Amino acid sequence: DTEVTQTPKHLVMGMTNKKSLKCEQHMGHRAMYWYKQKAKKPPELMFVYSYEKLSINESVPSRFSPECPNSSLLNLHLHALQPEDSALYLCASSQDQGGKSYEQYFGPGTRLTVT
Amino acid sequence: AQKITQTQPGMFVQEKEAVTLDCTYDTSDQSYGLFWYKQPSSGEMIFLIYQGSYDEQNATEGRYSLNFQKARKSANLVISASQLGDSAMYFCAMREGAAGGYNKLIFGAGTRLAVHP
Repeated sequence: DTEVTQTPKHLVMGMTNKKSLKCEQHMGHRAMYWYKQKAKKPPELMFVYSYEKLSINESVPSRFSPECPNSSLLNLHLHALQPEDSALYLCASSQDQGGKSYEQYFGPGTRLTVT
Repeated sequence: AQKITQTQPGMFVQEKEAVTLDCTYDTSDQSYGLFWYKQPSSGEMIFLIYQGSYDEQNATEGRYSLNFQKARKSANLVISASQLGDSAMYFCAMREGAAGGYNKLIFGAGTRLAVHP
């Protein structure tokens, strides 16, 4: 099973709202990632968790707050977003293979619109 | 700095024909990995194929093969016998670092492939 699930599929939120994106995988992967993708652009890495610890934060604004409650779950908490934050948010996971990791498996994404 | 270049913004191919999507890369690392992903309009990124820098054979996965030319720093994707379902955006990516049990992918700009009946 190479499935990464993401909820919700679509989200519309106002600039004063607080919402969360959820990502789940049951492949035993110990690295999980959040990406942001604008239309017609490649994905941009936001955060990386390895063994439930934040390993990379690509200078993401604090209105995005990641959380990894356990090895299967990854959340992205959203607060006071701007219209330019509207994008496809992709979650991915990868397996630790002796300290190296290879392919990342992606979820279907959450299409976020900030009004 | 590592960089991935995809020079073809769009390509089209007739159904059942083969097509090559170009990818060149730049890195000073000796150990690296190259990936191709497919992204249909639904949004999900689908892993297609992987090539390690030390792999002597070109990677193949079904109708996908990777034409790896290390000296030229190119990693072109070849899709044989194109199908209508192959219409999608294709991204070439390189792994930057592989320590700590995770990797960081650098993506190219992508190539949009349209398969015509």
